[in-house]
Amino acid sequence: DTEVTQTPKHLVMGMTNKKSLKCEQHMGHRAMYWYKQKAKKPPELMFVYSYEKLSINESVPSRFSPECPNSSLLNLHLHALQPEDSALYLCASSPRLAQSSYNEQFFGPGTRLTVL
Amino acid sequence: QQPVQSPQAVILREGEDAVINCSSSKALYSVHWYRQKHGEAPVFLMILLKGGEQKGHEKISASFNEKKQQSSLYLTASQLSYSGTYFCGTEKAQGGSEKLVFGKGTKLTVNP
Repeated sequence: DTEVTQTPKHLVMGMTNKKSLKCEQHMGHRAMYWYKQKAKKPPELMFVYSYEKLSINESVPSRFSPECPNSSLLNLHLHALQPEDSALYLCASSPRLAQSSYNEQFFGPGTRLTVL
Repeated sequence: QQPVQSPQAVILREGEDAVINCSSSKALYSVHWYRQKHGEAPVFLMILLKGGEQKGHEKISASFNEKKQQSSLYLTASQLSYSGTYFCGTEKAQGGSEKLVFGKGTKLTVNP
C-alpha cells in the first residue's frame, strides 16, 4: 500500500461545531504532517509528528488540535473554527528512518473544509 | 525562510523544454520538488541532498548547487501531463528538523 488516505473529502461546518479530520498511511512511515493550503498558495506546515510524538507546532491556534493515536493514524480535531480557516487540509507522511537521509513526503488527497 | 522560485509561470508547447529554479538565502540540507495538478494533492518528483545524492522519478532531472543554494528542475520534451504547479521545498537541517518550507510555486502549462 503506497498511499495516504484522508477522510472526509469535503467538510462543511459551522463556527460552533466540533469535527475531526482523519489521515491514514500503511507505508511504515514514522513522520506524519498536517498542512493547510489556500487557493493558489503553497502548502503551509501546521504540525509534525515524528515517531508518534508532536515535534513541530507552527504556532497554530488552539482551535486546531492534532492527535497521533498510532504510527499509521493522524487526526486533526477542529473546534470553534473561523471562516478564514476554510482551506484544503493536506496530510503527508515520510519515512523519517534513522538510516536514511531521504525524507520525501507523500501527500494524501486532502480534505476541503468550508467554515460557515 | 521561504525559498524563491522562478519563473512564476511558463507556457510551453508539447515537446518544448523548461527550467524551473529555486533559491534560498539559507544553507540547505535538501531540496524537494513536487507537482500539484488542480484539485489534487502534491506529488513527489525529486529530492536532492547536500553532498550530491538524489532520488526521484527516472524521467525527471534536477540539480542542486550548494555554493549558490540553488536548485533547478529540468523538464525536457514536455508532455501535456506535465501541466501543473511545481513547488520546491527546502529543508535546512537533517534529523532535528522535519520542517519543509515551500516556495510560492511555478505554474506550468503545456499546450498541444
